[in-house]
Amino acid sequence: GENVEQHPSTLSVQEGDSAVIKCTYSDSASNYFPWYKQELGKRPQLIIDIRSNVGEKKDQRIAVTLNKTAKHFSLHITETQPEDSAVYFCASTGTDKLIFGTGTRLQVFP
Amino acid sequence: DAGVIQSPRHEVTEMGQEVTLRCKPISGHDYLFWYRQTMMRGLELLIYFNNNVPIDDSGMPEDRFSAKMPNASFSTLKIQPSEPRDSAVYFCASSSSGGANQPQHFGDGTRLSIL
Repeated sequence: GENVEQHPSTLSVQEGDSAVIKCTYSDSASNYFPWYKQELGKRPQLIIDIRSNVGEKKDQRIAVTLNKTAKHFSLHITETQPEDSAVYFCASTGTDKLIFGTGTRLQVFP
Repeated sequence: DAGVIQSPRHEVTEMGQEVTLRCKPISGHDYLFWYRQTMMRGLELLIYFNNNVPIDDSGMPEDRFSAKMPNASFSTLKIQPSEPRDSAVYFCASSSSGGANQPQHFGDGTRLSIL
């Protein structure tokens, strides 16, 4: 069935370092790949998304890359800050719905 | 835009009671999704509607769960009778035409505790 694998499950970095989270999807028809950030006790919020006709997209310190051949997509956060600490979810489109990864807990230490 | 509005924010009730969660999607959005989030199972899609019609309820755990969308601006998720294992955060989300290919906007969730 449709599924999304996300790695790592936890990630600790020093402030200023980069963080990379990777996801693999199974449905070759998937064409939309959003990333959500969820702070403790809050709702998931969309931070960036990419569509299948684009290989990379940037928004300030965050970027997402997509490799459709390998069915991989990744989130890159540069110059991490303590406020980047949260759980990050990737997702890909299934049959008219989003399939979410299991989440990555990112901790940025000052 | 007020965003997706959910109520109540917190609900604590005893096992066996009926629980009703409410959601108002963003005006103009014609897709509405109900999710459940727990530590063990992550973010699970329970059911979604398109133009007020339930499209996929395969994620609804069992017959104790039901959802309705009587009009474009209101949906309910009902649990009857409730059980302790139903304790979770329930999120409602909405998106514009295009369904899963459009960004989903989440409400603040309802934190449900069944004693």
